[in-house]
Amino acid sequence: GAVVSQHPSRVICKSGTSVKIECRSLDFQATTMFWYRQFPKQSLMLMATSNEGSKATYEQGVEKDKFLINHASLTLSTLTVTSAHPEDSSFYICSATWGQGASGANVLTFGAGSRLTVL
Amino acid sequence: SQQGEEDPQALSIQEGENATMNCSYKTSINNLQWYRQNSGRGLVHLILIRSNEREKHSGRLRVTLDTSKKSSSLLITASRAADTASYFCARQARSNYKLTFGKGTLLTVNP
Repeated sequence: GAVVSQHPSRVICKSGTSVKIECRSLDFQATTMFWYRQFPKQSLMLMATSNEGSKATYEQGVEKDKFLINHASLTLSTLTVTSAHPEDSSFYICSATWGQGASGANVLTFGAGSRLTVL
Repeated sequence: SQQGEEDPQALSIQEGENATMNCSYKTSINNLQWYRQNSGRGLVHLILIRSNEREKHSGRLRVTLDTSKKSSSLLITASRAADTASYFCARQARSNYKLTFGKGTLLTVNP
């Protein structure tokens, strides 16, 4: 089945530094990848949609200069949290899809998530 | 916000009992999907139901969809301790691939 690998699973950094999270589709070409953010015991909030070779589309309220997304290939998307602050501490989850299946239905494969702690 | 509501927010049952979780939404959908998340982990896709379907089964899972009421339910029969997790419904819009997640139900199955 489709597998998405996300790395690192946990990262601790100092305030002001930048952190990069990678999301790779291991056995399929991901035409679209999504980045979500999840606070403890809360739902997933979509941050941005990333299409290979084009600029990411950010959801309202998400700072594009703060959360840099690059989707340079069909198997890799990266999220860079720039100048991280403690309020950026969260669980970041990527997901990927190869496109629409039957009847336009679209199932996403999720990575295992990356827990970012900014000190 | 397109986020709907799921209820209950938390559900605690004994092993062997059935668990029912509900999900409501506000906008039209292409399909509705249910996902499971173990604590601190990624999400696992459970089942997808299209807007023209009313009921779907997968093993011990049964999902219903009522588009007139904009609601869906997930039934887990004969629950097991290993079913303990958070369950999220997610709506996929007709216009794009985006999934909008509900707030989730935390299910605890006690052995």
